[in-house]
Amino acid sequence: QITLKESGPTLVKPTQTLTLTCTFSGFSLSTSGVGVGWIRQPPGKALEWLALIYWNDDKRYSPSLKSRLTITKDTSKNQVVLTMTNMDPVDTATYYCAHSLWLVRRNFDYWGQGTLVTVSS
Amino acid sequence: QSALTQPASVSGSPGQSITISCTGTSSDVGGYNYVSWYQQHPGKAPKLMIYDVSNRPSGVSNRFSGSKSGNTASLTISGLQAEDEADYYCSSYTSSSSLVVFGGGTKLTVL
Repeated sequence: QITLKESGPTLVKPTQTLTLTCTFSGFSLSTSGVGVGWIRQPPGKALEWLALIYWNDDKRYSPSLKSRLTITKDTSKNQVVLTMTNMDPVDTATYYCAHSLWLVRRNFDYWGQGTLVTVSS
Repeated sequence: QSALTQPASVSGSPGQSITISCTGTSSDVGGYNYVSWYQQHPGKAPKLMIYDVSNRPSGVSNRFSGSKSGNTASLTISGLQAEDEADYYCSSYTSSSSLVVFGGGTKLTVL
């Protein structure tokens, strides 16, 4: 059974760096074809894809946020970490991590519960 | 502004069928059979309902079906039930540098 859970600060100040951790179980990020993505959703708004990391450490980023994002994995800990620099109030959102077999399915089939991050001074 | 266009809201009565459209371009919806649909209840995470245009993951009711024509994909829910009331998002693989794009979401109200 695949599960994912996001963790990190609920409140960050403008210009600070956000670090979110996705801890998962039920799969290994060393298995060929597996990926973990991050998607966010501002309150009352639509989903927005942020980043994706593959089992082979290949990484993809949203072009509009690429300069601010870094995604890494720790296979031994079953964790994926997303950092976003220079946070702004418009980055207030629920941040989700999700499992994907991206190379064959192009979707996110298991999602974490999400974590709400508020950016405010 | 989302890359894929969905109606903001749709509604239907229990037992009826509804269809939600998702319009993109030849670089995403029209160019690949990688359209997915997600259901999201308030305060909950999205749930995959349809993948690869018309496939249902295990456990998803066969009342949910998907299709595509040109640059527009559609999600049809038949035999509407109260529990279907939720937000629905489409997504598509895209050949642009963005990798994946989402629609703006459609709020389904079961009257």
